[in-house]
Amino acid sequence: KNEVEQSPQNLTAQEGEFITINCSYSVGISALHWLQQHPGGGIVSLFMLSSGKKKHGRLIATINIQEKHSSLHITASHPRDSAVYICAVLTSGNTPLVFGKGTRLSVIA
Amino acid sequence: SQTIHQWPATLVQPVGSPLSLECTVEGTSNPNLYWYRQAAGRGLQLLFYSVGIGQISSEVPQNLSASRPQDRQFILSSKKLLLSDSGFYLCAWSHGSSYEQYFGPGTRLTVT
Repeated sequence: KNEVEQSPQNLTAQEGEFITINCSYSVGISALHWLQQHPGGGIVSLFMLSSGKKKHGRLIATINIQEKHSSLHITASHPRDSAVYICAVLTSGNTPLVFGKGTRLSVIA
Repeated sequence: SQTIHQWPATLVQPVGSPLSLECTVEGTSNPNLYWYRQAAGRGLQLLFYSVGIGQISSEVPQNLSASRPQDRQFILSSKKLLLSDSGFYLCAWSHGSSYEQYFGPGTRLTVT
């Protein structure tokens, strides 16, 4: 069993819809990352959080440490949000990230 | 500000040929460095990480190796490429005990 599980694996949405991507993990963590990978392959870090909630523009990330669960929400989705969204966890400061398999999001105009 | 560079951006190599991918970080010192691979249809996988010059930890045994000849330089190598080595290779860095990791632009390798 993968230490980091994401759902759904694939998601197609209409422009304007509210989107939720979920991440569950089975290990103790120091922090959790949400990453965005565009079709060309480049990866951008969207959020790093260890508790509570963070918001940046139309993106919101939440984490529940007790339940070992995090969600990434996209409000008013747009075709340019189409990408693979990856959840990754860090168990301590200088250890490598453990990645989920990603959620492929397609937003249709 | 810190920047991370990878080259080449794309590479097509025949089976059995050698490989050298380079990653350099600017604007920081003594970074932790990581090599990840993303095979087609699969998630990111850690290959190697380094917390200092000459210190390399391998996560997955395979025909790849890594070296860190200088503080801010991380090299991924192979003596003989396999078809299964095809994928997207990402270098990343973090600093000390910081939880933030920063990714390079990646190298797309196709082994034919």
